[in-house]
Amino acid sequence: GAVVSQHPSRVICKSGTSVKIECRSLDFQATTMFWYRQFPKKSLMLMATSNEGSKATYEQGVEKDKFLINHASLTLSTLTVTSAHPEDSSFYICSSSVAGVDTQYFGPGTRLTVL
Amino acid sequence: DAKTTQPPSMDCAEGRAANLPCNHSTISGNEYVYWYRQIHSQGPQYIIHGLKNNETNEMASLIITEDRKSSTLILPHATLRDTAVYYCIVQSGGYQKVTFGTGTKLQVIP
Repeated sequence: GAVVSQHPSRVICKSGTSVKIECRSLDFQATTMFWYRQFPKKSLMLMATSNEGSKATYEQGVEKDKFLINHASLTLSTLTVTSAHPEDSSFYICSSSVAGVDTQYFGPGTRLTVL
Repeated sequence: DAKTTQPPSMDCAEGRAANLPCNHSTISGNEYVYWYRQIHSQGPQYIIHGLKNNETNEMASLIITEDRKSSTLILPHATLRDTAVYYCIVQSGGYQKVTFGTGTKLQVIP
């Protein structure tokens, strides 16, 4: 199956700083990528849909100015959490689909802890 | 909102078959049934999907009722590594966003 990687796998930062999370499709081109957030013992919640070369589409209640998404190439999408606060601490996961195949392939996730 | 209903938790003895049910009574004709699982602190993993016929792969079998309103994921010989949260999802394909429900937490017991 298609492989999606994320970097970093774990990050700890101070409140007020910005954190960038990378999502890469290693062996396929990803026109569309999805970003999810997961709080402890909860299900995944879709944050935004990232489209290569265009603006991301954010779900209701997700602040686009706080969670900046850039999808500059067919293999890389980035999520930047700006001015992070402790309530942004969560597990962030990206996913993508291979063209012509509906299955979503997920990255391993990034654990963000904001002190 | 999620379009599926699953029991919150299930136990299964190691080596036995694990049967995980899912109700999707509002599924439309062009929607597939997908199953993913999430092992603790990892990203979800694709298991299997189907439209109306039963499907089998190296990981599991998927049984879809004739009216397509429910399905069952079968892990034929559960191992301790199958302990995870299993998500049943309906989606119409393409680059469609996926909505996750609460899933079923499967605990495989030695």
